[in-house]
Amino acid sequence: GENVEQHPSTLSVQEGDSAVIKCTYSDSASNYFPWYKQELGKRPQLIIDIRSNVGEKKDQRIAVTLNKTAKHFSLHITETQPEDSAVYFCAASKGGSYIPTFGRGTSLIVHP
Amino acid sequence: GAVVSQHPSWVICKSGTSVKIECRSLDFQATTMFWYRQFPKQSLMLMATSNEGSKATYEQGVEKDKFLINHASLTLSTLTVTSAHPEDSSFYICSARDPGLAGGTAYEQYFGPGTRLTVT
Repeated sequence: GENVEQHPSTLSVQEGDSAVIKCTYSDSASNYFPWYKQELGKRPQLIIDIRSNVGEKKDQRIAVTLNKTAKHFSLHITETQPEDSAVYFCAASKGGSYIPTFGRGTSLIVHP
Repeated sequence: GAVVSQHPSWVICKSGTSVKIECRSLDFQATTMFWYRQFPKQSLMLMATSNEGSKATYEQGVEKDKFLINHASLTLSTLTVTSAHPEDSSFYICSARDPGLAGGTAYEQYFGPGTRLTVT
């Protein structure tokens, strides 16, 4: 089955800095890669996703890049704000069921 | 659109009792719903895939007789934790997909708010 590794487990940055979270996956058939943000005690919320036919996608301060050859994808957050503090999960899934396999999560702390 | 609710949001029960958690898709019909379990500071672990009108598909290591899943309608799936033990205490989250969405987004998952189960 699919295996998703996520690093780092904790990331601490100053407000205004950039944050990068990296994930690798094992199944070359995976073709959909969502990123979720989960605040403490709340539901995961999709913040951005990318499909395998695209190398990069951007939405305001958030961007995701995908390298299919190396089987890794990354989340980039620029100009971080304290409200960006949360746990971020990457996931990988493939056509048919599109059942995601989640990474272990990254706790992002943005210090004001 | 694509709102998923869960009830209750938290529940405390005694060892040996059973607890039912409901997951509803409020504004769409979900032929498939998913049940996850999340321990503190850990990732979401898929427990089972719930299919409307048929038996759920359980992930390896998940006891189907302990975690009973029923998906009786296109908008409701239930998870019953039977004979609960303290080690069953966890955050249970359901999710659903809206197959009616256009634009290739039908595989996006919408999560419920979660249910905090504490077994004493």
